[in-house]
Amino acid sequence: DIQLTQSPSSLSASIGDRVTITCRASQAISSYLNWYQQKPGSAPRLLIYTASTLQSGVPSRFSGSGAGTDFTLTINSLQPEDFATYYCQQTYSTSITFGQGTRLDIK
Amino acid sequence: QVTLKESGPVLVKPTETLTLTCTVSGFSLSNARMGVSWIRQSPGKALEWLAHMFSSAEKSYSSSLKTRLTISRDTSTSQAVLTMTNVEPVDTGTYYCARIMRFYDNLSGSFYYTMDVWGQGTTVTVSS
Repeated sequence: DIQLTQSPSSLSASIGDRVTITCRASQAISSYLNWYQQKPGSAPRLLIYTASTLQSGVPSRFSGSGAGTDFTLTINSLQPEDFATYYCQQTYSTSITFGQGTRLDIK
Repeated sequence: QVTLKESGPVLVKPTETLTLTCTVSGFSLSNARMGVSWIRQSPGKALEWLAHMFSSAEKSYSSSLKTRLTISRDTSTSQAVLTMTNVEPVDTGTYYCARIMRFYDNLSGSFYYTMDVWGQGTTVTVSS
């Protein structure tokens, strides 16, 4: 299976900050990388697909980039509702895998 | 409006078979571009993809669990079903179903997928 490693595993930030989360794949996955947000007690929500395409209804402060093995999720001007756990997911292989998650909390 | 809702037992004994049902609305399970995926999350842990299907002939399973999993669907009732045999306490967690969308990348000739709508999840505890 393709392994996805996210970094950092957790980070603290303040309202208005810009944060970047990285996801590294164990082999090249083209741009078939999605990002999800999950809040405690809730199901995940699709934010970005194919590395950089914003899902409908997702605020433009979220952006993604990357291809091959290295990907990033950037959140500009953090809002209170952005504090959550973020997961990357690859669909290059039909054996889909998720990263271990990055927890973003308030400093 | 697309919705999915999971249902199943709250408590299962070790070695038993777990059967979970996902009832969907707002889209058709007969649509070749749309399927159902199952994902689970152990308490405090990361998401783990289990299986998905687009048709009776197009099913995929987690390599680590494929000997224990079976995914099926009934288009007439708009339900997808996941069975997991020989459950253990480590199978305790929240089980989600999600709509999985399939897209064709004309440039590469490959398919890619998104899980764009999720159910609320159902919590399962495996304990004697």
